[in-house]
Amino acid sequence: TQLLEQSPQFLSIQEGENLTVYCNSSSVFSSLQWYRQEPGEGPVLLVTVVTGGEVKKLKRLTFQFGDARKDSSLHITAAQPGDTGLYLCAGVLSGSARQLTFGSGTQLTVLP
Amino acid sequence: DSGVTQTPKHLITATGQRVTLRCSPRSGDLSVYWYQQSLDQGLQFLIQYYNGEERAKGNILERFSAQQFPDLHSELNLSSLELGDSALYFCASSVGGSGKSNEQFFGPGTRLTVL
Repeated sequence: TQLLEQSPQFLSIQEGENLTVYCNSSSVFSSLQWYRQEPGEGPVLLVTVVTGGEVKKLKRLTFQFGDARKDSSLHITAAQPGDTGLYLCAGVLSGSARQLTFGSGTQLTVLP
Repeated sequence: DSGVTQTPKHLITATGQRVTLRCSPRSGDLSVYWYQQSLDQGLQFLIQYYNGEERAKGNILERFSAQQFPDLHSELNLSSLELGDSALYFCASSVGGSGKSNEQFFGPGTRLTVL
């Protein structure tokens, strides 16, 4: 069982559509990060959220950290083909040795 | 470009062999992490070094070992290789310290194929 569950696992949408990816856990995290990974490359850090209820925006991407710091979401507005990739959430468990625990990822494909 | 470098980019070897993967962290980062990514297991944490000392261990096999040198570069040694060791191996680095977030920056990875 994954400590961080991501959903959906796969998502294929048309250019211009909106989408939301979820990252859920029963555990509390002191911080949560979102990464985007393209095939054959390393994950690239998009954002870090540390405060319960925090919302961060990065152009068309909106990230939210749940009030209880157990979940997070990534919303993309007007998706573009360049948004295609594997989106990974990763968290630092509260009280842990600060190791990152990764979710299983959401593979997003945006069709032109 | 994250500033983390890894060599080689690709590695093809046979079962039973030993290989060494190399990683240079971002300038100023003291922590180095190694991860294994395979299709069925996702991104799995292997081991962390901080300023030359082992800091944490994850799902690292006994056949695997790592070290971090005084210049802060790190090597991951994989021995007695099996077919199932074929995967992408990533190195990441972070500043370290006691902050909440532990933001990590990943290298481009080494794709290991064991035949």
